Amino acid sequence: AQSVTQPDIHITVSEGASLELRCNYSYGATPYLFWYVQSPGQGLQLLLKYFSGDTLVQGIKGFEAEFKRSQSSFNLRKPSVHWSDAAEYFCAVGGMEYGNKLVFGAGTILRVKS
Amino acid sequence: DTEVTQTPKHLVMGMTNKKSLKCEQHMGHRAMYWYKQKAKKPPELMFVYSYEKLSINESVPSRFSPECPNSSLLNLHLHALQPEDSALYLCASSQDPGGPHNEQFFGPGTRLTVL
Repeated sequence: AQSVTQPDIHITVSEGASLELRCNYSYGATPYLFWYVQSPGQGLQLLLKYFSGDTLVQGIKGFEAEFKRSQSSFNLRKPSVHWSDAAEYFCAVGGMEYGNKLVFGAGTILRVKS
Repeated sequence: DTEVTQTPKHLVMGMTNKKSLKCEQHMGHRAMYWYKQKAKKPPELMFVYSYEKLSINESVPSRFSPECPNSSLLNLHLHALQPEDSALYLCASSQDPGGPHNEQFFGPGTRLTVL
């Protein structure tokens, strides 16, 4: 079965600093990888997704992620964080044999200090 | 219209009550989902409907009863819930039921409190 690990429960960065959120997945075949963001009490919004092709994926709000098969990782990055980026970020993995089912990581809470 | 709507936004119910959560999308999506999210936890899949038929039930207790009356609507009927069922209930939809690569669009959720 697929699984996702987000090793950082909380991360605090200064506004304007760069950000990297880590995600490691376990899946035997080609994974379908997603990053979602959730503000408190809200639904999830997709930031970006990877299925195949270019391993560097651009998303909304200035985010990008890089798929590294050798490291089973799909880390999320942003060069300059804004206070409005404070939220919880979830990495998720899916796969053909699991149909529509997504498995989410535990999430990383991002705090931005001014 | 790229929105999934959910009503009500908040719901408080007693353990003997019967209530329903409603979800609606008008994007022509053929897969719809119910997730349960406890505080400080990731969403957990409960049910998936594909072409208005239940395709996945993640061993959810029978006090939760999903219904898909048509391709745009998804309901979750609640009966005899327990306090531990208090959570944020999220609805989502995606275009292609057979495609794991399809983005799931999430609604804002219903915050359920069971007294």
